[in-house]
Amino acid sequence: DGGITQSPKYLFRKEGQNVTLSCEQNLNHDAMYWYRQDPGQGLRLIYYSQIVNDFQKGDIAEGYSVSREKKESFPLTVTSAQKNPTAFYLCASTSGGSGANVLTFGAGSRLTVL
Amino acid sequence: AQKVTQAQTEISVVEKEDVTLDCVYETRDTTYYLFWYKQPPSGELVFLIRRNSFDEQNEISGRYSWNFQKSTSSFNFTITASQVVDSAVYFCALSSPSGGYNKLIFGAGTRLAVHP
Repeated sequence: DGGITQSPKYLFRKEGQNVTLSCEQNLNHDAMYWYRQDPGQGLRLIYYSQIVNDFQKGDIAEGYSVSREKKESFPLTVTSAQKNPTAFYLCASTSGGSGANVLTFGAGSRLTVL
Repeated sequence: AQKVTQAQTEISVVEKEDVTLDCVYETRDTTYYLFWYKQPPSGELVFLIRRNSFDEQNEISGRYSWNFQKSTSSFNFTITASQVVDSAVYFCALSSPSGGYNKLIFGAGTRLAVHP
């Protein structure tokens, strides 16, 4: 079955460490997204990519980095510069670059900073 | 400014009750899209409906129905005869040109708890 796989599901990090969250899709979608979800808040866009080797900052990109070397993969690195990284991270994809397209989401990765 | 407001943070109902989740949006665009997503405890958001700004017909899908009213900038979601499996967080979202069509703007979500 086609879908989005995020790993790990749970991740613990010490302050000052970088961590990378994996997102892989086998839907042949062009566009991929990373969102952050905090309790009581909606999803906020971190980065998005509409095509391989290209990506744009979202609303809260500071302290994060991404790469898009392959169509099916869009890993997110949470760097030590991110002041409050504890959150639930969701990866999504869609077949087109328009916001009118329906997003398919992964099951998320929960990052906790100790 | 593009904004989505879901004023109800949490709603608790007993099974078989009807429940309405409110969504109010702001945009200066005349063409835009509205969405509802469901987030069950597993965490993955599931698409429920997409509506464009030119289609004000209400939609019904089984126990779910949506009331889109441009005059009040609202896109409310009603679950009829709620069931325990409806327990989840529900998000309303907006996509519009001036907000960047690629970027969905989400409301804060409404957590629905349906008790047996």
